[in-house]
Amino acid sequence: GEDVEQSLFLSVREGDSSVINCTYTDSSSTYLYWYKQEPGAGLQLLTYIFSNMDMKQDQRLTVLLNKKDKHLSLRIADTQTGDSAIYFCAERWNKFYFGSGTKLNVKP
Amino acid sequence: SAVISQKPSRDICQRGTSLTIQCQVDSQVTMMFWYRQQPGQSLTLIATANQGSEATYESGFVIDKFPISRPNLTFSTLTVSNMSPEDSSIYLCSVLGLENTGELFFGEGSRLTVL
Repeated sequence: GEDVEQSLFLSVREGDSSVINCTYTDSSSTYLYWYKQEPGAGLQLLTYIFSNMDMKQDQRLTVLLNKKDKHLSLRIADTQTGDSAIYFCAERWNKFYFGSGTKLNVKP
Repeated sequence: SAVISQKPSRDICQRGTSLTIQCQVDSQVTMMFWYRQQPGQSLTLIATANQGSEATYESGFVIDKFPISRPNLTFSTLTVSNMSPEDSSIYLCSVLGLENTGELFFGEGSRLTVL
């Protein structure tokens, strides 16, 4: 299988920016995704980026893709307590491969 | 987008018993999937539920342990058979979206605890 790796934890203060990083192994991926999982809930698609793009911005969310280094990041501007959740990156090649998730803790 | 309902949302089960999880989608979908999410770990694909034929299982998962039904394009069930504590996990139903971006939509998950 493919390896999609993320750091397990990130802690930030409310109002700061959060940056969640992800590395993946398959350069054939067509789309890369960021999902959010709140406690007791399923995964919710936050945003995605097509593999021929370098950056995508969507309100407080900025996705950066470095294909050379196979590195994907999600930046959340002005992080709020409601952003506390687990964030999964995923790549889609022939099937979906998910990272282990980064637990974001936002301190008031 | 698709709205996916799973039942039960959580259950506590005894070792050796079996439990069936139901997944209902609000629209007809071709591709339905069952994932397992063990604590602190990534999502692992168990199988693809095919309408009108047997499910396609991933390496490490077998039909005797995880029988799947897919009687129509809006419904599927996953049974976890002869459960052991190692089966304690969240089981997620998902469907493939119809947009070009092809994202997965997920149900709320079914959290099973096996004693």
